[in-house]
Amino acid sequence: EAGVTQSPTHLIKTRGQQVTLRCSPISGHTSVYWYQQALGLGLQFLLWYDEGEERNRGNFPPRFSGRQFPNYSSELNVNALELEDSALYLCASSLHLYGGRQETQYFGPGTRLLVL
Amino acid sequence: KQEVTQIPAALSVPEGENLVLNCSFTDSAIYNLQWFRQDPGKGLTSLLLIQSSQREQTSGRLNASLDKSSGRSTLYIAASQPGDSATYLCAVKEGGSEKLVFGKGTKLTVNP
Repeated sequence: EAGVTQSPTHLIKTRGQQVTLRCSPISGHTSVYWYQQALGLGLQFLLWYDEGEERNRGNFPPRFSGRQFPNYSSELNVNALELEDSALYLCASSLHLYGGRQETQYFGPGTRLLVL
Repeated sequence: KQEVTQIPAALSVPEGENLVLNCSFTDSAIYNLQWFRQDPGKGLTSLLLIQSSQREQTSGRLNASLDKSSGRSTLYIAASQPGDSATYLCAVKEGGSEKLVFGKGTKLTVNP
């Protein structure tokens, strides 16, 4: 069974540009999560999508946005890139059982973004 | 606001040693706690998940314990091997939220 996949693996952009990162969850998983891992800051929660809807959002500005498609894949968009957006962006997926057993989040390999 | 702390930040041990990694969290209202492994420049691999109602989980040479009331978890690695070298991350899932709150990790080096 294929794991979580992300594209591209690496990306270099300049300040002010826009970027789109992509994530395909494990087959059957309906929830997709995005995290940012910036140097020295640890992993920070960005966004959670389930069944096509944004369910929760971390403490990030509105220029970080995304969406989830009917096939449960997801995009993360970052507008007006700033130098501090340089980070490893990780996507995770899980089954989501409302009121039920909490499921493990499975992580993809990440997209490394460098903003110059 | 939930905060997760991992001590030590880095650890270097000789091969074969048993070791313990520590994780503490400030708010005991959690759904579960997970331990992950991250290799340099790579994504995360889930090692163990402990539900809030559980006290420990075991997988091979790994054993994780959870004491919700004191806000602590430990990851015990038995008979460490060079292949165990990685950064180990602890994360809690907060009650009422699907997001994971991570510690900054412990970087483990096992020397042959």
